[in-house]
Amino acid sequence: DQQVKQNSPSLSVQEGRISILNCDYTNSMFDYFLWYKKYPAEGPTFLISISSIKDKNEDGRFTVFLNKSAKHLSLHIVPSQPGDSAVYFCAASERRPADKLIFGTGTRLQVFP
Amino acid sequence: GAGVSQSPSNKVTEKGKDVELRCDPISGHTALYWYRQSLGQGLEFLIYFQGNSAPDKSGLPSDRFSAERTGGSVSTLTIQRTQQEDSAVYLCASSYTGEAFFGQGTRLTVV
Repeated sequence: DQQVKQNSPSLSVQEGRISILNCDYTNSMFDYFLWYKKYPAEGPTFLISISSIKDKNEDGRFTVFLNKSAKHLSLHIVPSQPGDSAVYFCAASERRPADKLIFGTGTRLQVFP
Repeated sequence: GAGVSQSPSNKVTEKGKDVELRCDPISGHTALYWYRQSLGQGLEFLIYFQGNSAPDKSGLPSDRFSAERTGGSVSTLTIQRTQQEDSAVYLCASSYTGEAFFGQGTRLTVV
């Protein structure tokens, strides 16, 4: 049972344009959501998070949107840069602090010049 | 060190042998996680330690897998009688407030 789903395995975007990565979840008890970026041969690195009391959180070029009624979140990267090319994972947990994180399967983003 | 440290970085073992993977979390982090990533797959949850609570072992794929965390710090993931399907990158992470920080992983290859 995949509680966190990323239905797009890959995404290709031109440099300077917006990248939108999507994530859906099924567990209504999830109330904390995170996005991670992973380069090959490295561990995932934390990007941005959002709690269920908010619907938007912004950090520089990265914005996460949460739609609780649809059980959907998205990560927007504006403007996209070639260095953003990586695999992006969304993750969710039922509570903070530090509860078990359930990850999606990842979306490979490629930003081309 | 400042980050999560895992050792070894690479491990090749023969089928049927036991292996131990080590994780040194960030000092002061109360939560510690083990995940694995098989080729082309996502991050599969294995086990989760939080403070002095009983660990959440719900992700361990079989009884050949076990983990312990000594003194609330270092953790060891043990795989007994390794099988070829155990080949993967094993990732450890630690956390205090919710954002988990990952190590570089141990690439395990069972031949």
